[in-house]
This record gives sequence, structure tokens and C-alpha cells, in this order.
Amino acid sequence: QSALTQPRSVSGSPGQSVTISCTGTSFDVGDYNYVSWYQQHPGKAPKLMIYDVSKRPSGVPDRFSGSKSGNTASLTISGLQAEDEADYYCCSYAGSYTFYVFGTGTKVTVL
Amino acid sequence: QVQLQESGPGLVKPSETLSLTCTVSGGSVSSGSYYWSWIRQPPGKGLEWIGYIYYSGSTNYNPSLKSRVTISVDTSKNQFSLKLSSVTAAETAVYYCARGPEAVTRGHFDYWGQGTLVTVSS
Repeated sequence: QSALTQPRSVSGSPGQSVTISCTGTSFDVGDYNYVSWYQQHPGKAPKLMIYDVSKRPSGVPDRFSGSKSGNTASLTISGLQAEDEADYYCCSYAGSYTFYVFGTGTKVTVL
Repeated sequence: QVQLQESGPGLVKPSETLSLTCTVSGGSVSSGSYYWSWIRQPPGKGLEWIGYIYYSGSTNYNPSLKSRVTISVDTSKNQFSLKLSSVTAAETAVYYCARGPEAVTRGHFDYWGQGTLVTVSS
């Protein structure tokens, strides 16, 4: 099972919006509404930001939103802030053989 | 607040078995509401799900690692453990334990340990 495809990097100025794509297949992203997104600062553990495609855990700012269309999921960060600079990984359930596949990761840079 | 803490040797020789334990506090591995997972990340690379266990002992593993992985649970100590046999240098990574997925859905990993670096080298 190949990793989900994400852009290597995206960037934006403070206050702008950025969107990270996560492309999978009809066997993972396209087949299940179990896409999650994780934020990882250098040297830190990943932090859950979005689950079940578009739900936000308690405490995650509403600047973070998720969506899905076909085999591609997306994470949008609106009103970009300096502390949003981090690596972001998507993850999808992929059925009862593969189970979970992560994305390749995207580095978000705040200019 | 659920907290997870990995522990175990930071250096393992090639072809030997990597063994790690995750201690859970602020929650119970016996709750029945969650599975408990191991996930790893080679330096500078992405995340890879290794496998999960339920409090009953039921497991599922990444098919690419299945022949070499064993995850077990000790409900009396509120811990779960990972064993990965015949390791190679390519398996040098930060190993994370995490809560998830939920037992009812298949979704996500909501609490993570801080991670522990395991280096495979002679």
C-alpha cells in the first residue's frame, strides 16, 4: 500500500489561507470517511487536528477545516498564524487488510 | 487527560528484537472504547502505522510487518507493548504509542506519547 500523496511544501503570509491536498485511491480516501490530519512541530509528537474528514477535536482552532472530494482530501488553514508553521500529515483508513495509510507529509511555512 | 509514555532500549543490534512498552495514565487500556496503536517515523521521513491491540488481546498489524510484529497488553499495569523481530538499520525511527482508533469507528489517533528514538546499529 503506497503512502497518500501530499505536496512537499506550501507557504503563505500571516492572515492568508493555505490548502493542503491528500490524494489517495478508491481503496482508502475515496472509500471511507475516516480521514484525519495531524500537525507535527519539530521534535514533537503529532497532534490530531481533524478527524472523520471534517470534525475538529476540542481545543483545535476553527481556522482549521477539512473536506473531501472523491479520492482527495484537503486541509485548509485560514488566517494563517506563525504557530501554524509545522509539518502536516493526512491519514486514511484503508480497509481490513491495510488498515491505515499516512500521507507523505507537507511542510507549511509562514512567510 | 490521557497521557502515554514509551520506554525501552534506545539501541538495538541488527537482526535482534526491538522491544518497547507504553504506559498509559489518565485513562485505561481496559476501557473497551479504544484500540491502542504503535506508529513509527524514521528520521526526516513520514509516519507508518505498525499495528494495534484491544484490551481483549485482539490485534491487527500492518501487512508489511505482520510476520515480525507482536503487540501485547497488560491490563493490570495499564500498559501495552511492541516487539519487532529481525530489525534492520532501515528501522531506525522514533516509535510512538497512541490511543486509537475508536472501537466503534475506524477513525483516528487522538493521544500520542512523546516518542522514543530507537537506533538499529551494531
